[in-house]
Amino acid sequence: DAKTTQPNSMESNEEEPVHLPCNHSTISGTDYIHWYRQLPSQGPEYVIHGLTSNVNNRMASLAIAEDRKSSTLILHRATLRDAAVYYCIRGGSGGSNYKLTFGKGTLLTVNP
Amino acid sequence: GAVVSQHPSRVICKSGTSVKIECRSLDFQATTMFWYRQFPKQSLMLMATSNEGSKATYEQGVEKDKFLINHASLTLSTLTVTSAHPEDSSFYICSARDRGTTGTGELFFGEGSRLTVL
Repeated sequence: DAKTTQPNSMESNEEEPVHLPCNHSTISGTDYIHWYRQLPSQGPEYVIHGLTSNVNNRMASLAIAEDRKSSTLILHRATLRDAAVYYCIRGGSGGSNYKLTFGKGTLLTVNP
Repeated sequence: GAVVSQHPSRVICKSGTSVKIECRSLDFQATTMFWYRQFPKQSLMLMATSNEGSKATYEQGVEKDKFLINHASLTLSTLTVTSAHPEDSSFYICSARDRGTTGTGELFFGEGSRLTVL
């Protein structure tokens, strides 16, 4: 049970921003929000993670709701290489051996 | 960035044979590695947590005698699918976290190993 809810699929146009939503209404106070993405026939790739504050890195931004029951992954300018399945995962209460449980994710299609 | 490598990337075997898949962390040490399985059009399913120097922890419903995991060093974990059958055909993916990072560090994934059992 991944305990997050994401739309099955989304579509975007190249060079436009993409907002990928995730609902985690039962998140605990110590759970982090992680985002990974998986290109076809490859292992997943880390995108970003956060706890309470919004986070930015070279790949994306993560906007976390004030009540932490939802979050949004923002790709500022989608490229064709961003077409992938995006997974929103809650977890990571501490320790290097904590495991991540994947849900179904959102299949992002980027149109040229 | 950190790299996790799997070998082989593809393997085809006959039913009844055993297949070993290796997972190596190339530039960091990993006390713990994770093994996932992914069927077509489905998400990743965690199979087991591989612990260096001790027994693996298997998820509910995963047969430990069928999927043997050995984590002999801080950079290598192996998954052996014993007496493979066609229903074991899947994409097997390992992952690891640098033990030098904090508990919320990113998980690095291998490229995956596609097993086809004839």
